[in-house]
Amino acid sequence: EVRLEESGGGLVQRGGSLRLSCEASGFTVSSNSMSWVRQAPGKGLEWISVIYSGEITNYADSVKGRFTISRHNSKNMLFLQMNGLRLEDTAVYYCARGGVYSTGPGAFDIWGQGTMVTVSS
Amino acid sequence: QSVLTQPPSVSGAPGQRVTISCTGSSSHIGAGNVVQWYQHRPGRAPRLLIYSDTQRPSGVPDRFSGSKSGTSASLAITGLQAEDEADYYCQSYDSGLYVVFGGGTKVTVL
Repeated sequence: EVRLEESGGGLVQRGGSLRLSCEASGFTVSSNSMSWVRQAPGKGLEWISVIYSGEITNYADSVKGRFTISRHNSKNMLFLQMNGLRLEDTAVYYCARGGVYSTGPGAFDIWGQGTMVTVSS
Repeated sequence: QSVLTQPPSVSGAPGQRVTISCTGSSSHIGAGNVVQWYQHRPGRAPRLLIYSDTQRPSGVPDRFSGSKSGTSASLAITGLQAEDEADYYCQSYDSGLYVVFGGGTKVTVL
């Protein structure tokens, strides 16, 4: 079965750090474009980062310089290191596979169930 | 403020047809970038409905269809069913292949 499962969310104070994990099964993370997408409470979806199969990474301006996407090929896992967390980073964070149906990193065909990150003051 | 503009809500009776618009600019949809559509039910993972403007992944009913013209795209749902009640998002690309989403449209089945 092809699936993604996130973990690592929780409550953290403003300015703190958190590392999210995403375990893949049924396909190889390193062969695909993998992204993190978040949804703040009551808001829409927001793409925040991608790592391509060739290890090139890209970030939305809202997280650039604070968040780092990476992967562990042998564990078939994706990560998001989040530093300098702000109140506005409070959201459900999803990992998603893209690029299978699109030449770009989108067209996310596999999503995890999401993990909640709450940043408190 | 989302880069792509969608109506906040649309509604229809069971069996009816509803359409959701997604308006961008010459930097996104108008630049020839493809559009995807997702369905997102509360508490569930988003689901890819349409890719490359008009294509459906296997398993997506043909009640869902996509179109694109100029700087806008649309998702049509025909034969509306209770299970179609969800939030729907369009997605395209900005320059440099940055992923951009619409603000989302809540579909209510009356």
